[in-house]
Amino acid sequence: DVKVTQSSRYLVKRTGEKVFLECVQDMDHENMFWYRQDPGLGLRLIYFSYDVKMKEKGDIPEGYSVSREKKERFSLILESASTNQTSMYLCASSPLLGTPLHFGNGTRLTVT
Amino acid sequence: QKEVEQNSGPLSVPEGAIASLNCTYSDRGSQSFFWYRQYSGKSPELIMSIYSNGDKEDGRFTAQLNKASQYVSLLIRDSQPSDSATYLCAVNMNTGNQFYFGTGTSLTVIP
Repeated sequence: DVKVTQSSRYLVKRTGEKVFLECVQDMDHENMFWYRQDPGLGLRLIYFSYDVKMKEKGDIPEGYSVSREKKERFSLILESASTNQTSMYLCASSPLLGTPLHFGNGTRLTVT
Repeated sequence: QKEVEQNSGPLSVPEGAIASLNCTYSDRGSQSFFWYRQYSGKSPELIMSIYSNGDKEDGRFTAQLNKASQYVSLLIRDSQPSDSATYLCAVNMNTGNQFYFGTGTSLTVIP
């Protein structure tokens, strides 16, 4: 079974802090994704990566950056956290283009 | 127009009945279609993939795809209370490596 592990289940941060969300997958998948999920808005893609050191913006990249230094690890960075970034963050991976996404357990981030 | 649209529900069915969930998508060139189940407070889990027109069955679940009409549906036979969850439709658009998700349909199976 594919295992996608997100480092934190719950996080509480203060406005203006730099926040790191970590994601690790153990199946040598090429593609990794960061989504956020908000009630009524569904899942929205923030960034994705199809190879080490490669990244592509999704639909809502503003206020976020990513890092993929190793194939198995994809980090989401909130440069200066704001209250409108309070959300559930979901990391996912997939082996090839067009194949199903496998999700981590999610990180519920609260910015106060 | 949203890329992937679902009826948000809530949809309620009695135990043992068939639940029918529908999804439409905007990109006619889309190739891959998926149904995810998401329990409250949990992450989405894949339950069905479908890539070609027609029906695909897996246990109590049947996915149906009609590319000409740009819709995909999920039927759940003999619905159980444990099927109560939000069901997300996901489409891999032809434009690249992006998956677009619907906002989900909330299903409640009443014992």
